[in-house]
Amino acid sequence: DAGVIQSPRHEVTEMGQEVTLRCKPISGHNSLFWYRQTMMRGLELLIYFNNNVPIDDSGMPEDRFSAKMPNASFSTLKIQPSEPRDSAVYFCASKRRDSYNEQFFGPGTRLTVL
Amino acid sequence: GQQVMQIPQYQHVQEGEDFTTYCNSSTTLSNIQWYKQRPGGHPVFLIQLVKSGEVKKQKRLTFQFGEAKKNSSLHITATQTTDVGTYFCVRGGAGNMLTFGGGTRLMVKP
Repeated sequence: DAGVIQSPRHEVTEMGQEVTLRCKPISGHNSLFWYRQTMMRGLELLIYFNNNVPIDDSGMPEDRFSAKMPNASFSTLKIQPSEPRDSAVYFCASKRRDSYNEQFFGPGTRLTVL
Repeated sequence: GQQVMQIPQYQHVQEGEDFTTYCNSSTTLSNIQWYKQRPGGHPVFLIQLVKSGEVKKQKRLTFQFGEAKKNSSLHITATQTTDVGTYFCVRGGAGNMLTFGGGTRLMVKP
């Protein structure tokens, strides 16, 4: 089975540009999570969805960040406008409804904002 | 959110030596999970502990959950270069929320 798929794997952009990160969860998983990892702050949960509905977005740093999940097989995390401090690795993870809390992580998107 | 603290942050060991990382919480944990992240990789689930005093083993890895369910440890016997990576203890929370500790980065000298 394919794991969690993220694209792009690497993104380099200039400050002020819009960035869209994409995630395809594992088929049959009904929970999806977006994380951000930096050296300074470690691994932080940004937002998660259950059955395509956002449940907790308290980790979203500010209004420049938004996330959507239009269907069970696709989610996006958008940053507009991007800033250099947004540079990080962004992970998407998914989980099955009937499992305990084990989450399956995607390979991540390494974002660099110049 | 409520944090889990991990020590040490970094550990260098010679291949064949043992390694232990500790995880502490100021509040009682409903469960604790451990993940491993290889350099340049993504976190991968290792195990979940739920019961007070629980001990689980995976080959050379031994995981413990404290009697008070406020601490946990991961012990690796006779480290190998394949053990290199960052080990995270993760607090399970309400619903699907996970709170990651800061991690312990293990480096193994061959």
